[in-house]
Amino acid sequence: GQNIDQPTEMTATEGAIVQINCTYQTSGFNGLFWYQQHAGEAPTFLSYNVLDGLEEKGRFSSFLSRSKGYSYLLLKELQMKDSASYLCAVIAAGNKLTFGGGTRVLVKP
Amino acid sequence: GAVVSQHPSRVICKSGTSVKIECRSLDFQATTMFWYRQFPKKSLMLMATSNEGSKATYEQGVEKDKFLINHASLTLSTLTVTSAHPEDSSFYICSAREPFSGGASNEQFFGPGTRLTVL
Repeated sequence: GQNIDQPTEMTATEGAIVQINCTYQTSGFNGLFWYQQHAGEAPTFLSYNVLDGLEEKGRFSSFLSRSKGYSYLLLKELQMKDSASYLCAVIAAGNKLTFGGGTRVLVKP
Repeated sequence: GAVVSQHPSRVICKSGTSVKIECRSLDFQATTMFWYRQFPKKSLMLMATSNEGSKATYEQGVEKDKFLINHASLTLSTLTVTSAHPEDSSFYICSAREPFSGGASNEQFFGPGTRLTVL
């Protein structure tokens, strides 16, 4: 079966950095996505990793280690609007997305 | 990025009635669409994969006679919740994927979601 783990909640201060970890055990691997989701809205795409290493995109960076089944999403210079849920999702066998439970990030002033 | 729409955004219905939710890819053709449901403070759970011109593939534990999926064209998939009950109340989200062309085209584009409340 598929198993994707990420912390349930994290709290950080405006302007700080937060790292959200994601570990996965899946049947096959065709890439890993990070999505941001505000309450009551659809997920929005943040990043996609299929090769090992770091992908940087503005204030957001995502890292992948396939051998360790591990990824993290790094949010820098946190802003209040970054308060949201962050979903780690893996494309595995059958080309289907399997989501982790999501991490709720609360940014405090 | 590609745009996916859903209609309606919110629906309230009585127990025992059926509700149809539409998912459209607006600026691309989607041979494959996906339907997810999400309970409050929980993550997305895949219900089924909708394939244009063929039967949908349902995930384990999802009743195909309860959740009817039709993918009649390359831009439209519908989910019908039949004989809805209060426990079917949830946030339903569809997504669509463009035909594979390499790179990050595994990306799925999500619709804005439909909030279903069954009284």
